[in-house]
Amino acid sequence: DTEVTQTPKHLVMGMTNKKSLKCEQHMGHRAMYWYKQKAKKPPELMFVYSYEKLSINESVPSRFSPECPNSSLLNLHLHALQPEDSALYLCASSRLQVGGIRETQYFGPGTRLLVL
Amino acid sequence: QQQVKQSPQSLIVQKGGISIINCAYENTAFDYFPWYQQFPGKGPALLIAIRPDVSEKKEGRFTISFNKSAKQFSLHIMDSQPGDSATYFCAASSGSRLTFGEGTQLTVNP
Repeated sequence: DTEVTQTPKHLVMGMTNKKSLKCEQHMGHRAMYWYKQKAKKPPELMFVYSYEKLSINESVPSRFSPECPNSSLLNLHLHALQPEDSALYLCASSRLQVGGIRETQYFGPGTRLLVL
Repeated sequence: QQQVKQSPQSLIVQKGGISIINCAYENTAFDYFPWYQQFPGKGPALLIAIRPDVSEKKEGRFTISFNKSAKQFSLHIMDSQPGDSATYFCAASSGSRLTFGEGTQLTVNP
């Protein structure tokens, strides 16, 4: 089973709202990722968690706050977003080999976010 | 150094034809090259992947050709079908990050 699930599928929020995106995987993967994808563009890496610890933050604005409560779950907390943050937000996971080398990343279906 | 260049940007093929998408990279530290297929409104799905010690890998109608000396790799889709119409991303990894190409929008006409 290579399934990564994400909720909600769609989200509309105002610029003053607080919302959270959720991601779950049960493949035993110890690396989890958040990506942002704009239309007709490749995914852009936002955050990487390795063994439930934040290992990479690609200079993402603080209005995006990731959280990894356990090895199966990944959250992205959203606050005071801007209309330009509207995008497809993708979660992915992968195994972590010895030396921190990451293997194939498996993506979830994404959350389509619209900020009004 | 981290860039992966993908071409063409869009491709139209007749049903039963061969679709070819090319990618080139510069960073010789890349050691893993996956291809992802993405349908509208869905997340990217792993299609096929190759490591640089192999020159070709085939899975069903999908083949990756890899030229290490030229730092190029390509995806061939044999007997293309309308259901293959999607956006294809090549990618390269050096262990810590996955670098994507810009994507190719493939349309297979019936």
